[in-house]
Amino acid sequence: AQTVTQSQPEMSVQEAETVTLSCTYDTSENNYYLFWYKQPPSRQMILVIRQEAYKQQNATENRFSVNFQKAAKSFSLKISDSQLGDTAMYFCAFMSSNTGNQFYFGTGTSLTVIP
Amino acid sequence: DAGVTQSPTHLIKTRGQHVTLRCSPISGHKSVSWYQQVLGQGPQFIFQYYEKEERGRGNFPDRFSARQFPNYSSELNVNALLLGDSALYLCATRTGPNTGELFFGEGSRLTVL
Repeated sequence: AQTVTQSQPEMSVQEAETVTLSCTYDTSENNYYLFWYKQPPSRQMILVIRQEAYKQQNATENRFSVNFQKAAKSFSLKISDSQLGDTAMYFCAFMSSNTGNQFYFGTGTSLTVIP
Repeated sequence: DAGVTQSPTHLIKTRGQHVTLRCSPISGHKSVSWYQQVLGQGPQFIFQYYEKEERGRGNFPDRFSARQFPNYSSELNVNALLLGDSALYLCATRTGPNTGELFFGEGSRLTVL
């Protein structure tokens, strides 16, 4: 079974600064996808960024980027130039390419951006 | 285009009762999944349906059931409610059964008293 671990329950960052959220996972599979989802206080989960395991290049989406270390099974999210609207719960998620019918989520990191 | 819509948004039930939660997917999305999110935890997979067939089931008791209709909307049913069923129930949809990211609704907040 796949497991996803987020070891930082809460984090805070000053507006305009950079913050990194950590995620590790455990799997015996070689082909999979990793995701970061954001859940603002309004509750709707929104995709932030995704990474295919077969791609060595780290994914980037504007101010969001990942550091994907496949051998270490690590998938951290870096948020640059933090904005007040980045305040939310952030969930790391794993999906197998073989089955793909379910996502495995971590317990989340609550990020607060301080003005 | 409308996103994933869920109803009701909030509901309160008592132990032993039954509940039905509903989900309408984004147009063109044929896969619907249900997740349970207990306070302070990440979402846990309950079911996936694709083309009206169950494609996956998480580690939940038989009190939980679901179905998908010809228009790809879905219902999640929970019988004999327990206090521990109190949670946010999230519906997530996507185009295919095993590709692409999930698009989530805002959820149905169930409180069992």
